[in-house]
Amino acid sequence: DTEVTQTPKHLVMGMTNKKSLKCEQHMGHRAMYWYKQKAKKPPELMFVYSYEKLSINESVPSRFSPECPNSSLLNLHLHALQPEDSALYLCASSQDRGRQETQYFGPGTRLLVL
Amino acid sequence: AQKITQTQPGMFVQEKEAVTLDCTYDTSDPSYGLFWYKQPSSGEMIFLIYQGSYDQQNATEGRYSLNFQKARKSANLVISASQLGDSAMYFCAMKGIQGAQKLVFGQGTRLTINP
Repeated sequence: DTEVTQTPKHLVMGMTNKKSLKCEQHMGHRAMYWYKQKAKKPPELMFVYSYEKLSINESVPSRFSPECPNSSLLNLHLHALQPEDSALYLCASSQDRGRQETQYFGPGTRLLVL
Repeated sequence: AQKITQTQPGMFVQEKEAVTLDCTYDTSDPSYGLFWYKQPSSGEMIFLIYQGSYDQQNATEGRYSLNFQKARKSANLVISASQLGDSAMYFCAMKGIQGAQKLVFGQGTRLTINP
């Protein structure tokens, strides 16, 4: 089973709202990732968690706040977003961060910021 | 720095034909992994196939095979007997020691299968 689940599938929020994206995997993977993808572009890495610790933050604005409550869960807390933050947000996981390890992606959350 | 180049922004192929999607890469890492992903319009990134830089044989997974030419730094994806459901965006990606082992993506190729 290589399933990564993400909720919600779609999200519309105003610039003053606070919302959270959720990602879950039960493959025993110890690395989890958040990506942002704009239309017709490849995914851009935002954050990497390895063994539940934040190991990479790609200079993401503080209005995005990641959290890894346990080895199966990854959250992305959103606050005071801008319309340009509208995008597809993808979560992924892999066994670890080794270069031979495949990242498995979830279905994504389509976010629209009004 | 690591870089992936996909030179075909779009491809149109007749159903049941074979199709080759091009991917070239640039790295100074002696050891790296190459990946292909499919992204339908629904948005999910679906893992297709993996090739390790030290693998002696080209990877195959069902109708997908990877034409790996290490000296030319190319890792082309071959889809045999294409189907309408193969219409999607295809991304080539690599991961090595450089760049903190982050997955580096190409710009993608939009494949359209015509009936």
